Amino acid sequence: RKEVEQDPGPFNVPEGATVAFNCTYSNSASQSFFWYRQDCRKEPKLLMSVYSSGNEDGRFTAQLNRASQYISLLIRDSKLSDSATYLCVVNPAGSGGYQKVTFGTGTKLQVIP
Amino acid sequence: DAGVIQSPRHEVTEMGQEVTLRCKPISGHNSLFWYRQTMMRGLELLIYFNNNVPIDDSGMPEDRFSAKMPNASFSTLKIQPSEPRDSAVYFCASSWQGDGTDTQYFGPGTRLTVL
Repeated sequence: RKEVEQDPGPFNVPEGATVAFNCTYSNSASQSFFWYRQDCRKEPKLLMSVYSSGNEDGRFTAQLNRASQYISLLIRDSKLSDSATYLCVVNPAGSGGYQKVTFGTGTKLQVIP
Repeated sequence: DAGVIQSPRHEVTEMGQEVTLRCKPISGHNSLFWYRQTMMRGLELLIYFNNNVPIDDSGMPEDRFSAKMPNASFSTLKIQPSEPRDSAVYFCASSWQGDGTDTQYFGPGTRLTVL
């Protein structure tokens, strides 16, 4: 089983739709979780961290399910500008120690007019 | 701040040639990461430096790859000799702590093509 798995997509959704991505991870000791966004031929950029209690940033909501070992990203009211690849990032370390950050291969989202 | 700076942005070379990729991290960051991204394998960590010291190089593919960080503001990734399978986008990233809890800031990448 891969350390971090994502559905590669593509997810093709109309403008205004709600779309959700899941990401599963294999290391139950993982403690830090993030969603990064990568536009075509650009570098990855942090979209949001994922906290145990779940967190929201505007139209974006991230949740963590430790029991089932997955994180999710929900995008409401999709915009054309949301079209990108969304990378799930998992790190088994807490603060104070280095562990290898693992990136998922990404889920491609295409928002259609 | 200018962000993470990488050069060159594009490199086309022939098999067997030496390739050197350069990175300037964000000032004040003490952790630097080199990644390689391909369609097949996604984003792979090659090597991680903390305070200019290589901490984890387990992702370096083989002896043809080497990386250095002579000071806090500069790092190089060298491939010698290069092979067609090394064709990929190479990203450099930096962060404040490197312990995995903080944001990694990526440079624009170097797109390497080995013919």
